[in-house]
Amino acid sequence: AQSVTQLGSHVSVSEGALVLLRCNYSSSVPPYLFWYVQYPNQGLQLLLKYTTGATLVKGINGFEAEFKKSETSFHLTKPSAHMSDAAEYFCAVSVATGTASKLTFGTGTRLQVTL
Amino acid sequence: EAGVAQSPRYKIIEKRQSVAFWCNPISGHATLYWYQQILGQGPKLLIQFQNNGVVDDSQLPKDRFSAERLKGVDSTLKIQPAKLEDSAVYLCASSLWSLVTDTQYFGPGTRLTVL
Repeated sequence: AQSVTQLGSHVSVSEGALVLLRCNYSSSVPPYLFWYVQYPNQGLQLLLKYTTGATLVKGINGFEAEFKKSETSFHLTKPSAHMSDAAEYFCAVSVATGTASKLTFGTGTRLQVTL
Repeated sequence: EAGVAQSPRYKIIEKRQSVAFWCNPISGHATLYWYQQILGQGPKLLIQFQNNGVVDDSQLPKDRFSAERLKGVDSTLKIQPAKLEDSAVYLCASSLWSLVTDTQYFGPGTRLTVL
């Protein structure tokens, strides 16, 4: 079965510092990987996704992630954190299930940005 | 383009009572999902519809949970009777179809508290 593991339930960075949120996946087939962000009292919003092609994926709000097959990783980064980046971040893997697909989420990483 | 709508946003009930949640997906989206998100965890899929047919309900506690999607558009999720462990945020999402690469768009969720 496919799964994702997010290392670190809480990450704290200073404003302007590098953001690195870790995600490792387990998959017996080529994975399709997603990062979603959830702001307080809101639903999830797609940041970026990897399907095929270029392994460095750029998303919204200056975030990017690199698919590394050899390391089974899909870490999320942003060069300079803003206060507005404080939120919960979820990594997810999509797998085909018969004629449909299923999205399986990690447990999330809460990002805190301090002055 | 209007997003996924959900109501109510908040609900507090006593255990053993019943409750219903409503979801209106993005227009034209064939696939609709209901997720349960317990505090501190990632969303867990409860049920997936494609048009008005059920694709996956393997994680739905069918002794107390039920869901329907009327005419392949709106959907309702019902819990009867509710238990304390049902306290969670219930998220509705929709996607154009159900390909592994399709993006799911989430509503703001309904926060259920069972006392």
